[in-house]
Amino acid sequence: DTAVSQTPKYLVTQMGNDKSIKCEQNLGHDTMYWYKQDSKKFLKIMFSYNNKELIINETVPNRFSPKSPDKAHLNLHINSLELGDSAVYFCASSQSPGLATDTQYFGPGTRLTVL
Amino acid sequence: AQKITQTQPGMFVQEKEAVTLDCTYDTSDPSYGLFWYKQPSSGEMIFLIYQGSYDQQNATEGRYSLNFQKARKSANLVISASQLGDSAMYFCAMRLTTTGNQFYFGTGTSLTVIP
Repeated sequence: DTAVSQTPKYLVTQMGNDKSIKCEQNLGHDTMYWYKQDSKKFLKIMFSYNNKELIINETVPNRFSPKSPDKAHLNLHINSLELGDSAVYFCASSQSPGLATDTQYFGPGTRLTVL
Repeated sequence: AQKITQTQPGMFVQEKEAVTLDCTYDTSDPSYGLFWYKQPSSGEMIFLIYQGSYDQQNATEGRYSLNFQKARKSANLVISASQLGDSAMYFCAMRLTTTGNQFYFGTGTSLTVIP
């Protein structure tokens, strides 16, 4: 069974389009995250949700909007896609907030290419 | 300010030899967790090993061990008996209790195992 899953795995789209990436975790974790990994492999946190509540919202263009319908799902919607949005987007989850010992588990990633 | 520093962008190791990947961190929090992740060319992020700031002993997981030197604020990953499948990017990460869910990642080290 896949612990953290993302769909789609690959996404190729034109500039200006709107797209969504879905994430689901079956680990029973309370906290979920979105990361962006650029072409230099640098991982940047974008958002974090705990029990459907937004708790981390880094400096990200407001074209990016996360939505958490329940604690097992965290979707990422991107409006008006730009060339610079091309990257790999990772979803991750962890057990609970405030615990330094808490391990984060990643989904397989979604490679977004904006043409 | 950079909280996690990985100074080795690329490393090479002969198959069956041991290799150490460096990681230093910066925090004044007494409670934190240190993690290593592996990212092979297929792209997924794989959790390898964890060390808590209060742990007295260095963490070990199979061929992976974490050389934790608290006073020097270093958390180096040691891979023993390198295998070709160990060729990947390796990321060091830290989680602080005070920032709750925030994980800080280093820039990664690309390891190549030579047959």
